[in-house]
Amino acid sequence: TQLLEQSPQFLSIQEGENLTVYCNSSSVFSSLQWYRQEPGEGPVLLVTVVTGGEVKKLKRLTFQFGDARKDSSLHITAAQPGDTGLYLCANQPMTTDSWGKLQFGAGTQVVVTP
Amino acid sequence: DVKVTQSSRYLVKRTGEKVFLECVQDMDHENMFWYRQDPGLGLRLIYFSYDVKMKEKGDIPEGYSVSREKKERFSLILESASTNQTSMYLCASSPPQQGSYEQYFGPGTRLTVT
Repeated sequence: TQLLEQSPQFLSIQEGENLTVYCNSSSVFSSLQWYRQEPGEGPVLLVTVVTGGEVKKLKRLTFQFGDARKDSSLHITAAQPGDTGLYLCANQPMTTDSWGKLQFGAGTQVVVTP
Repeated sequence: DVKVTQSSRYLVKRTGEKVFLECVQDMDHENMFWYRQDPGLGLRLIYFSYDVKMKEKGDIPEGYSVSREKKERFSLILESASTNQTSMYLCASSPPQQGSYEQYFGPGTRLTVT
């Protein structure tokens, strides 16, 4: 089973600051998804990265996939209180019978205070 | 708009009780999943189903069973609830394996076993 390690576990910042969270593995990712889970809700997909070196932007969020496809980062510029949530990375297992299964990291809890 | 609903947001049960958690999706998805979410452990897969009446064990199936009699409904059953099953339970669905493996989540059921 591939282990996804997310860091840091917890991040508290002021509105307007920037932040970066990381997702790493000892094995190559087939593809990587980032989800955000707001309090009291289920996770919602933000982005999927597939190609090594890929960079995707979603408004103030920038997602990078490492060249070797073993790591990914999520950078938020000028964070707002609405960015508060648990950020989870998830990977599709590299097996032929995965049936759409995903493996999730433990998540980074981000708190943005006004 | 895609929708996954779970029968209860909060549930309190006594040790030894039989507990049913219901999940319904309106997206005609083949795949459905049950996870439990605990602080610091992320989402752990309990069971999943890739078709009506089909089920597969996930990473932590002990103490749980599932039922999928209709495509839109996937039930998680705790045969005899124990205190170590106190957790947040999340249901998800996804279409057949095509591309991104995005999973759509319900809002979760917070179960407390006393």
